[in-house]
Amino acid sequence: EIVMTQSPVTLSVSPGERATLSCRASQSVSSDLAWYQQKPGQAPRLLIYGASTRATGIPARFSGSGSGTEFTLTISSLQSEDFAVYYCQQYNNWPPLLTFGPGTKVDIK
Amino acid sequence: EVQLLESGGGLVQPGGSLRLSCAASGFTFSSYAMTWVRQAPGKGLEWVSGISGSGGTPYYADSVKGRFTISRDNSKNTLDLQVNSLRAEDTAVYHCARVAAGMVDYWGQGTLVTVSS
Repeated sequence: EIVMTQSPVTLSVSPGERATLSCRASQSVSSDLAWYQQKPGQAPRLLIYGASTRATGIPARFSGSGSGTEFTLTISSLQSEDFAVYYCQQYNNWPPLLTFGPGTKVDIK
Repeated sequence: EVQLLESGGGLVQPGGSLRLSCAASGFTFSSYAMTWVRQAPGKGLEWVSGISGSGGTPYYADSVKGRFTISRDNSKNTLDLQVNSLRAEDTAVYHCARVAAGMVDYWGQGTLVTVSS
């Protein structure tokens, strides 16, 4: 079973600053890694897939990197609408399994 | 426009059952695997179950195996989740979602299941 971990649990950032979120897999997932954003009361939204490809309509300030077991989501200049919880998810062993990380909350400093 | 609309949630006693449904539109339903992902109050996302586009192959998380059954009707563009032997820890919002090569690219707003006596 692949276990996903994310750090930090909470990241306090000022608007306009850069945010760097980390995701780690317990074993290699190649580049089969997605990132999601979730705001309170809303469904998650796909941001990044294939570790580094932005989904349709996602602003260029969101970027993903990494492969194997270490991944990073970077938000280059935080906007007010970016304060949310971010989840990583591996799909290297889909089917049959999908695995989400525990999430990182990005809040206003 | 892809739309996923869940229904069927509610309050149920421990040991009880519910049938969750998801109505899909805006895409060729049978071409995509589908999945259910749940979120307990104040907690993170937990993958629960998935099913291939043809409906021939279901997949389950260990936490629900033997209690939950996923199914789909490609003629009606619907996805179902039969949830039996419910426990307090099954309390969550259950999201129906589309799977594209492993990534979950569209999500419904979810239906709340509350297990309590």
